[in-house]
Amino acid sequence: GAGVSQSPSNKVTEKGKDVELRCDPISGHTALYWYRQRLGQGLEFLIYFQGNSAPDKSGLPSDRFSAERTGESVSTLTIQRTQQEDSAVYLCASSQRSVLYGYTFGSGTRLTVV
Amino acid sequence: DQQVKQNSPSLSVQEGRISILNCDYTNSMFDYFLWYKKYPAEGPTFLISISSIKDKNEDGRFTVFLNKSAKHLSLHIVPSQPGDSAVYFCAASAEGGTSYGKLTFGQGTILTVHP
Repeated sequence: GAGVSQSPSNKVTEKGKDVELRCDPISGHTALYWYRQRLGQGLEFLIYFQGNSAPDKSGLPSDRFSAERTGESVSTLTIQRTQQEDSAVYLCASSQRSVLYGYTFGSGTRLTVV
Repeated sequence: DQQVKQNSPSLSVQEGRISILNCDYTNSMFDYFLWYKKYPAEGPTFLISISSIKDKNEDGRFTVFLNKSAKHLSLHIVPSQPGDSAVYFCAASAEGGTSYGKLTFGQGTILTVHP
């Protein structure tokens, strides 16, 4: 597609439930990133995939968070046993060039845990 | 540990005047810096970047200045337009490190340009 697509755009879930967020990167982009933005805060790095290399998971806040990517296509971010502090906008981005050219972000998934 | 800081949560400017957004960083390993703009309900969009080998980069109305000794960068928008009203994020990267391409973002500054 023309841009990075994320689904769903909004998700309300009950505390303790699992959620799965999806990201379709721009075709041909080898790098894919997940960030989250909690209310009033900046973007927080979660995980990064680059081609076939092992992902950089250094930003995942707990073992309840995991992400997968199939080749150079779709990625899913899974949050198990959601907590209220997981409420945030989860942003996916993809890139095919040096970081100096920036990434292309999707519009995000707004997750609300009630 | 906030490695990239935008100490001004908001900035209000009159149309036609200059907007100056500031950003400070603490990690001396950062060598690429970027500015993103974000409108409500949209993802951030890339604006302009600068490598640490430069002290200035200009693109139309947008200029980024880097002062490595002070670990400070700024984004100048001139002339400011109402459509520039958005949240502006500063970001930094340590190119060539183990996390190639990973960006560390500041908290953002809300810019409001009044007609």
